[in-house]
Amino acid sequence: EVQLVQSGAEVKKPGESLKISCQTSGFNFNTSWIGWVRQLPGKGLEWMGIIYPGDSDIRYGPSFQGRVTISADTSVNTASLRWASLQASDTGMYYCARLITPLGWYFDLWGRGTLVTVSS
Amino acid sequence: QSVLTQPPSVSAAPGQKVTISCSGTSSNIGDNYVSWYQQLPGTAPKLLIYEDDKRPSGTPHRFSGSKSGTSATLTITGLQTGDEADYYCVTLDTSLSAVVFGGGTTLTVL
Repeated sequence: EVQLVQSGAEVKKPGESLKISCQTSGFNFNTSWIGWVRQLPGKGLEWMGIIYPGDSDIRYGPSFQGRVTISADTSVNTASLRWASLQASDTGMYYCARLITPLGWYFDLWGRGTLVTVSS
Repeated sequence: QSVLTQPPSVSAAPGQKVTISCSGTSSNIGDNYVSWYQQLPGTAPKLLIYEDDKRPSGTPHRFSGSKSGTSATLTITGLQTGDEADYYCVTLDTSLSAVVFGGGTTLTVL
């Protein structure tokens, strides 16, 4: 089955690090772009960045460059999103999605999301 | 402030038609394909329209997309209460080298 399975909800304190994951199945992970999208509580969707696992080409959204790290492990077909030091303002839902390129640039397959709560 | 501009909300009665606009510039909508997503309450977004006007299998024909110049439109006919959701337009911005989202539009079916 073609799917993206995201890791479970997390509760962290400000300053802590966190890595969430997106395990893929049913398609060629190495030749697919995987993206991350943030949704703050009650707000819209924001593009965080994308990774092409085949050659580790990574592009970050302007608001997220330097704030998060996107990576991929081709041995387990899993993409990850990491924060070195969380802030309360990072509280939100994070979705991974498969990005189809180069013609249309659209997300055709989505994970269910990982809820991240940062609170002291 | 989103790069793509959508109305915050639209509403219509069951069975009616509604349109959701998405306004951009020559470096995004004017230069690239647009996709649309539906996000039902408490769920992940779902692809509704891609490459301006194509429907993935599973998207009812009641949903259609169009584009003219630097604006795109999602049209929903025969509205159903189950269509109540947030709708987002997305495209690539060539100048920003970034995927950009509209701010989202909440559809209420009265």
